[in-house]
Amino acid sequence: NAGVTQTPKFRVLKTGQSMTLLCAQDMNHEYMYWYRQDPGMGLRLIHYSVGEGTTAKGEVPDGYNVSRLKKQNFLLGLESAAPSQTSVYFCASRPGGGTEAFFGQGTRLTVV
Amino acid sequence: QQQVKQSPQSLIVQKGGISIINCAYENTAFDYFPWYQQFPGKGPALLIAIRPDVSEKKEGRFTISFNKSAKQFSLHIMDSQPGDSATYFCAARGTGANNLFFGTGTRLTVIP
Repeated sequence: NAGVTQTPKFRVLKTGQSMTLLCAQDMNHEYMYWYRQDPGMGLRLIHYSVGEGTTAKGEVPDGYNVSRLKKQNFLLGLESAAPSQTSVYFCASRPGGGTEAFFGQGTRLTVV
Repeated sequence: QQQVKQSPQSLIVQKGGISIINCAYENTAFDYFPWYQQFPGKGPALLIAIRPDVSEKKEGRFTISFNKSAKQFSLHIMDSQPGDSATYFCAARGTGANNLFFGTGTRLTVIP
């Protein structure tokens, strides 16, 4: 049972490039989340999804887009990367009626 | 604004000592208060959690103390070990899917 898997684990982008981060969960969870983690700022919610085909904005959505075409996958896209998007990105999932959120191992993204 | 305030930002404790991390919140609708532990290079993982109808919960060396009237809760790590060195996040859950708010984290270092 893999839990929550993020791909890739590391990436370096040039300013203006685009990329997609993939999150996959095998626990049949309804809710999925994308967070960014920056020093001294904790975990900030970028976007989330309450089910297949639905997404919503979180606390810091600007510059990001998401899609949830399949229940098990949640994609985070950066259309035109900026140095301010240098961060560690975490995906999480949880059951609709549950309390515990399960996190992936993170993606360290550097935009130069 | 930060829904959950956490302190201290960093903490150094001698092996065998007690580590204490504090959190405060304002929203009285929060109904679940988890603590997450994060090791370097890993995603956060649920450590222990409490509901507001209980003033204390203990699991091994980890104890949550909860003060509903003061809207504060804290994590106590007894007999701290070098293996406890990690970043700890408190969180609070409100209503709806976008409902888990994290503190800014505390980096704990336990010195042998």
